[in-house]
Amino acid sequence: TQLLEQSPQFLSIQEGENLTVYCNSSSVFSSLQWYRQEPGEGPVLLVTVVTGGEVKKLKRLTFQFGDARKDSSLHITAAQTGDTGLYLCAGAGAGNMLTFGGGTRLMVKP
Amino acid sequence: DAGITQSPRHKVTETGTPVTLRCHQTENHRYMYWYRQDPGHGLRLIHYSYGVKDTDKGEVSDGYSVSRSKTEDFLLTLESATSSQTSVYFCAISASGPSGLNIQYFGAGTRLSVL
Repeated sequence: TQLLEQSPQFLSIQEGENLTVYCNSSSVFSSLQWYRQEPGEGPVLLVTVVTGGEVKKLKRLTFQFGDARKDSSLHITAAQTGDTGLYLCAGAGAGNMLTFGGGTRLMVKP
Repeated sequence: DAGITQSPRHKVTETGTPVTLRCHQTENHRYMYWYRQDPGHGLRLIHYSYGVKDTDKGEVSDGYSVSRSKTEDFLLTLESATSSQTSVYFCAISASGPSGLNIQYFGAGTRLSVL
């Protein structure tokens, strides 16, 4: 069974601060996806990283895939209140299956 | 939203009663999934389908059954609901994204409370 550990589980910061969320596994994934979920809604895909060492940027969000394709990080620069939500990483395995991490609940206070 | 509709959106039921949740999609996707989401556990796969009448178990399938008699509908049934099945249930479909990779798109969820 492939497992993904996300840390931290909860993060409460002030607007303008930087933060990093980690997603770690002992398994290799063909790709890793990051989702964001708001209350009362389903997760929405932010980005997919495929190549070991890959870095992708989405405005103030920077996503990195580890060289060995076992881990990933999400860095947010100058967080805004609109970044508040649940962030989920998911590793793609055989077939069309995803293994999800436990999620990081982020609260950005004004 | 990839044309995914879940119904009902909210349900309160009593222990021991059967419950069926419906997922409807409008874009003819082959793969459909049912997940449950609980605090600290992310999303856990219950069952999935790779075509009409083709289904398989996921990580937490005990106490659940599914059916897919039409491409557009994937039903999740709790034969005899228990309090441990109180959760938020999400349906998803798999589709090719811009880079050709498979991406899962999710419905808005069904909040189920078993009293």
